[in-house]
Amino acid sequence: EAQVTQNPRYLITVTGKKLTVTCSQNMNHEYMSWYRQDPGLGLRQIYYSMNVEVTDKGDVPEGYKVSRKEKRNFPLILESPSPNQTSLYFCASRPLGGGHLTGELFFGEGSRLTVL
Amino acid sequence: AQTVTQSQPEMSVQEAETVTLSCTYDTSESDYYLFWYKQPPSRQMILVIRQEAYKQQNATENRFSVNFQKAAKSFSLKISDSQLGDAAMYFCAYRTVTGANSKLTFGKGITLSVRP
Repeated sequence: EAQVTQNPRYLITVTGKKLTVTCSQNMNHEYMSWYRQDPGLGLRQIYYSMNVEVTDKGDVPEGYKVSRKEKRNFPLILESPSPNQTSLYFCASRPLGGGHLTGELFFGEGSRLTVL
Repeated sequence: AQTVTQSQPEMSVQEAETVTLSCTYDTSESDYYLFWYKQPPSRQMILVIRQEAYKQQNATENRFSVNFQKAAKSFSLKISDSQLGDAAMYFCAYRTVTGANSKLTFGKGITLSVRP
């Protein structure tokens, strides 16, 4: 089954304790991205990656890091989490190229993160 | 920068009736994608319908259809024969065709409730 898998789905942590949210897709997609969802703000892009070893900042990258060592994996790293990073996080992927055939973004199921 | 506006935070519809969710966007580009995503209480992001800007014909998917007005930059979603399972948050989203990132830009969402 084609899917984007995120882990953990739920996490409660404390300020300053490093954590990683993993994301893996099995569709051989080149493009991957992280979004955060906050009430009244919709979804906002944190980071994205066009391919292995190619990453760049989105709209709200402060306090986050990413890496893309393998095509299928795109972990989100919070080196020193703070309460304002309490949010719902989504990983998503899609293929590149193909023009109008590549509009859809495939989402993971979301990771609810609470930083105390 | 592109923006997406969903001005109604909440709407309610009677089961079996029709409801229209509004969305406007701002862009200077001529070719792009528009999407409606559904987010039920499970938090999963589900693609409801997609519209390519170069197509004049409005997209339809079973009970879901859009009214795409390119000149007015309007993209509303019509849900016919509303069902209890349609209760969810709905996000309108825009994506450019060109560009290295071509991220999805989301509106703030609208919460739809369905009255039995």
